[in-house]
Amino acid sequence: AQSVAQPEDQVNVAEGNPLTVKCTYSVSGNPYLFWYVQYPNRGLQFLLKYITGDNLVKGSYGFEAEFNKSQTSFHLKKPSALVSDSALYFCAVRPSGAGSYQLTFGKGTKLSVIP
Amino acid sequence: DAGVIQSPRHEVTEMGQEVTLRCKPISGHDYLFWYRQTMMRGLELLIYFNNNVPIDDSGMPEDRFSAKMPNASFSTLKIQPSEPRDSAVYFCASSRRGGPKLGYTFGSGTRLTVV
Repeated sequence: AQSVAQPEDQVNVAEGNPLTVKCTYSVSGNPYLFWYVQYPNRGLQFLLKYITGDNLVKGSYGFEAEFNKSQTSFHLKKPSALVSDSALYFCAVRPSGAGSYQLTFGKGTKLSVIP
Repeated sequence: DAGVIQSPRHEVTEMGQEVTLRCKPISGHDYLFWYRQTMMRGLELLIYFNNNVPIDDSGMPEDRFSAKMPNASFSTLKIQPSEPRDSAVYFCASSRRGGPKLGYTFGSGTRLTVV
């Protein structure tokens, strides 16, 4: 069975500083990896994904994530944080093989960007 | 594109009452997922459908929960009888063939409170 760990419940960062939200995963075979963001009282919004190819993936709002197969990690990063980035971030994984389409999500990391 | 539409946005009901949550997926999407979000357990997949057929309902917590998808544009999640521990935010998400690579589109959720 696949699983996702987001080791930090909360990450605080000053506006303008780089941010990292950590994610590690466990899955049989090759993974498809995703990051979603949730603003208060809203549904989850897709940010970016890794399917294959370049390990550095760029997504919406200036976010990027780096796939590291040896460390089974997919950390979310942004060079310069904005106050508007404050939200709940979810990492998700599913195996790349056919027949298993459900995503397994981590518990989420609350990002607070301090002005 | 109106996105995934869920109703109601908020539901408060008394223990023992029947609750029905509704979801309209994006037109052309043939996968539909129901998730439950709580502080303690994060996002849990309850059930998902492909072409209106339930594929995996192993996440449905107990017999009090049931889900149907009578056609491609409508799904319901029913709880009967409801209990206080069912209080959570319930999300519906949809994706299209090949879509699991592309991620899901989530609705805004239904916040259920059982008193």
